[in-house]
Amino acid sequence: SFDLTQPPSVSVSPGQTASITCSGDKLGDKYVCWYQQKPGQSPVLVIYQDDKRPSGIPERFSGSNSGNTATLTISGTQAMDEADYYCQAWDSSTGVVFGGGTKLTVL
Amino acid sequence: EVHLVESGGGLVQPGGSLRLSCAASGFSFSSYDMHWVRQTTGKGLEWVSVIGKAADTSYSGSVNGRFVISRENAKNSLFLQMNSLRAGDTAIYYCARGLGDSSMDVWGQGTTVTVSS
Repeated sequence: SFDLTQPPSVSVSPGQTASITCSGDKLGDKYVCWYQQKPGQSPVLVIYQDDKRPSGIPERFSGSNSGNTATLTISGTQAMDEADYYCQAWDSSTGVVFGGGTKLTVL
Repeated sequence: EVHLVESGGGLVQPGGSLRLSCAASGFSFSSYDMHWVRQTTGKGLEWVSVIGKAADTSYSGSVNGRFVISRENAKNSLFLQMNSLRAGDTAIYYCARGLGDSSMDVWGQGTTVTVSS
């Protein structure tokens, strides 16, 4: 089966850049998207098709995908960005696959 | 405004069945793929199933053969028939609108399913 691996946690200081990685075999050959989920809330799509931002998502959110790793980058991280982040891709054998999630702490 | 509202969750015994519904509004329902995704308390997201615009379906390995996804475009509704339920199916179940590239841009608030005796 196809698996996506994320670090369980990432910490960042306010105003700094946070990078969250997502690894999978030949991930660069697939589209990757990212979701933000705050406690008690439903997930929100923040990046789709590797690097596109849905309407209403701040420009500080960006994405990239190459080789075996996709990266979500949050520039000028704010306290409101503290949340769980999930990467997701589609595999022809497995279907939709989510990464295990990364808890972003802003401190 | 685009909106998805799930219903039908509850407490069910192991081996039992439950049917979830998702009411869509504010967009052309028939033009989109629709997904079910679940999340156990304090854990990550797990994809369950998708139904395409042409009613083609796909399931995760963990529910294949037990769950059935369907849609009724005339009523802007999505369904998930869950049979042979197990304790491991206990989760919040979300319906979500698919963008065709497998990403999901609109999510409901979720409905909770508890499988326990």
